Amino acid sequence: DSGVTQTPKHLITATGQRVTLRCSPRSGDLSVYWYQQSLDQGLQFLIQYYNGEERAKGNILERFSAQQFPDLHSELNLSSLELGDSALYFCASSVALPGTEDNSPLHFGNGTRLTVT
Amino acid sequence: AQSVTQLGSHVSVSEGALVLLRCNYSSSVPPYLFWYVQYPNQGLQLLLKYTTGATLVKGINGFEAEFKKSETSFHLTKPSAHMSDAAEYFCASAGAGSYQLTFGKGTKLSVIP
Repeated sequence: DSGVTQTPKHLITATGQRVTLRCSPRSGDLSVYWYQQSLDQGLQFLIQYYNGEERAKGNILERFSAQQFPDLHSELNLSSLELGDSALYFCASSVALPGTEDNSPLHFGNGTRLTVT
Repeated sequence: AQSVTQLGSHVSVSEGALVLLRCNYSSSVPPYLFWYVQYPNQGLQLLLKYTTGATLVKGINGFEAEFKKSETSFHLTKPSAHMSDAAEYFCASAGAGSYQLTFGKGTKLSVIP
């Protein structure tokens, strides 16, 4: 058990809809990362938050947004869903302060499997 | 931009045989390098990491990897495969001081009894 909790585990929705994925990081971890895993693209970094502030953006679509709340949990919002958004979405957390030489690894949750029909 | 290439999307070995999973990275500066394992319906679990120092890194479950700067490689090995090693393995890199990982496409390891 990594200590990172993601809900829901599975989500099935229709095209055009909006969903919210939730992540609770490990206790004490201030950094939260979102990754998308699909068969064709592999694992892609989406976005990173540190202590409530956005720190880095990767291959995140404009239809997607995220935030990290004062209690450090994070939500990933996916809107105007398309069939191609079907994927496994992972949240990871780390105690690392971005930009510092820190050896702490990322701890991944078990993911939310999104199916868009 | 960093990139990670894993040679072989699927590798099969016999139980007890050597496991060798290949990873090459592309980076303008020495990166941080990682191997993660993913079991079915689970998240990624860190096997080992290289940041600085000793180039031979030992990880969990008997795995180890060697950082070879001249070859830009970070291959994962295990002397003797076990049935429980069957999983998908991901090599990843990150810039120094960053944990925005760039992942390879993954290698699915099958262990034949």
